[in-house]
Amino acid sequence: KNQVEQSPQSLIILEGKNCTLQCNYTVSPFSNLRWYKQDTGRGPVSLTIMTFSENTKSNGRYTATLDADTKQSSLHITASQLSDSASYICVVSAKSNQFYFGTGTSLTVIP
Amino acid sequence: EAGVTQSPTHLIKTRGQQATLRCSPISGHTSVYWYQQALGLGLQFLLWYDEGEERNRGNFPPRFSGRQFPNYSSELNVNALELEDSALYLCASSLAGYNSPLHFGNGTRLTVT
Repeated sequence: KNQVEQSPQSLIILEGKNCTLQCNYTVSPFSNLRWYKQDTGRGPVSLTIMTFSENTKSNGRYTATLDADTKQSSLHITASQLSDSASYICVVSAKSNQFYFGTGTSLTVIP
Repeated sequence: EAGVTQSPTHLIKTRGQQATLRCSPISGHTSVYWYQQALGLGLQFLLWYDEGEERNRGNFPPRFSGRQFPNYSSELNVNALELEDSALYLCASSLAGYNSPLHFGNGTRLTVT
């Protein structure tokens, strides 16, 4: 069964600290993995997209990693800011053009 | 470049009524996806349209339907509304091909009373 699981479900960190969010998937055949940021009441916004051959991809303070062998990905946020407070969603795409969404990690950055 | 636009932003209906939600994709995008996001839950896939055709649908009853127009805009119709249909409905568009990123609108908040 194609599934995407994210952990932790929620996370609270102090402003300026780093954090890492996890995503495990069982989607096959794998096409790509994306991380999205969703602010409350808004649509998700793409942070990174990684294909099978990519191990690491950065977008400013966001760095995503992908281990296609273990089917795991992580999103590392460096020097967190209050504006990083949002839900972070891992989405895995199968080659059939189907997208499988994790339920997200809710991140709260406090001053 | 204008993003994905959805209308209305909020919609309040009573149980049993019908709701129509609209989506305009980014110019040049031929694929449109519809998702339901109930409060506190993840996105659930509803429908995928490409080049005017329904390509796939999620595990939702037939009262959820839609269409894509020649200009690639799309409409989602929900008939015989139930209380549990209350959710944020998100539309996303992309270029053809499974490596193209999804671009989301800000959604329509549907409340069924």
